[in-house]
Amino acid sequence: EVQLVESGGGLVQPGGSLRLSCAASGFTFSSYWMHWVRQAPGKGLVWVSRINSDGSNTNYADSVKGRFTISRDNAKNTLYLQMNSLRAEDTAVYFCARASSGYLAYWGQGTLVTVSS
Amino acid sequence: DIQMTQSPSSLSASVGDRVTITCRASQSIASSLNWYQQKPGKAPNLLIYAASTLQSGVPSRFSGSGSGTDFTLTISSLQPEDFATYYCHQSSSTPQSFGQGTKLEIK
Repeated sequence: EVQLVESGGGLVQPGGSLRLSCAASGFTFSSYWMHWVRQAPGKGLVWVSRINSDGSNTNYADSVKGRFTISRDNAKNTLYLQMNSLRAEDTAVYFCARASSGYLAYWGQGTLVTVSS
Repeated sequence: DIQMTQSPSSLSASVGDRVTITCRASQSIASSLNWYQQKPGKAPNLLIYAASTLQSGVPSRFSGSGSGTDFTLTISSLQPEDFATYYCHQSSSTPQSFGQGTKLEIK
């Protein structure tokens, strides 16, 4: 059974940093592109970032480029999102998702990041 | 960047109704269009990928069509468990993008 479990969310002050993790199991993690998608409270889904299977290729939404870094450790079956210079508008539930030919077939339950003083 | 526009933003319907949700891309995305259902407090659930392919385990009352810039999600006969928010998603190019969502409510 495919499982994705996010962790690392919490309350952080504006300008602070946080690293999210997504632990994967039930599939060959190193074979799949992975994505982060976020959802602000009461709002819609917003694509954040993606990384290819070996970690050599990454893409970002303009709103996070230069502040967020996606990475992965295939030996640990874990996806990461390093978030720096956090802003109030980064407050959201962050989901990791496994991609297959572009579509996102499996999602984690999400982890809440709150940016507030 | 490709913008995705869904219509309507909200919709009231009854059990048994046929419902259609539309998604329009700001430029051609061929068939790289996916549909998700999301219920409150839950992760999105993939319904349709590549515009018209039904994800395994999804009821056949859901169907998708379209290519290029115009796409539709149709629910042929609404069931009580279908009341949720639906999102389209383009995976044609980065940055990828979602529509703003369509909230389907019980009339």
